[in-house]
Amino acid sequence: EAEVAQSPRYKITEKSQAVAFWCDPISGHATLYWYRQILGQGPELLVQFQDESVVDDSQLPKDRFSAERLKGVDSTLKIQPAELGDSAMYLCASSITSGVLEQYFGPGTRLTVT
Amino acid sequence: SQQGEEDPQALSIQEGENATMNCSYKTSINNLQWYRQNSGRGLVHLILIRSNEREKHSGRLRVTLDTSKKSSSLLITASRAADTASYFCATDDTNAGKSTFGDGTTLTVKP
Repeated sequence: EAEVAQSPRYKITEKSQAVAFWCDPISGHATLYWYRQILGQGPELLVQFQDESVVDDSQLPKDRFSAERLKGVDSTLKIQPAELGDSAMYLCASSITSGVLEQYFGPGTRLTVT
Repeated sequence: SQQGEEDPQALSIQEGENATMNCSYKTSINNLQWYRQNSGRGLVHLILIRSNEREKHSGRLRVTLDTSKKSSSLLITASRAADTASYFCATDDTNAGKSTFGDGTTLTVKP
């Protein structure tokens, strides 16, 4: 069964360092989402792509976070510089298209900022 | 900001019992979805119910939706230890084109 791939699974970094996460959605899925999930809370949408275009990044802290999906397939989320409050699970999800809202999630990247 | 709010925050039951968790929301929606998340993992889609539907079943899962009360419930019948997980509702806003997740109910099923 096709799955959403994410790497790394775990990342420990010091504050003020740069960190990057990678996501490969299910083949053929046009819509890709990056979520941040703080322990004990639900996922919060950071950015949504339709193919290579950003359709929603209203909750992305743009002073330190950036996301790209250059060829409309895989995607990278970057944080620079990382802050202690960025410690969280970063989840990537994909769906066939933005009109089909059932999302398939990857296993996530657990980020710890020290 | 989260739109859906799950209740209770935590639920502990014995294997074989039924588990009911509720979700309330604030604005008009197109659909409501339920997801499960095992500890430290990604979310798995369970069921989607449209705003014009009142009840939906999938295996041991039963979901209801009351748009007049802006609430939904997820019932898991004959629970198993493997059902231990967090359960999230996600509301699909009428014009937003995206899902907004609540903070979830943590279910523990004791063998």
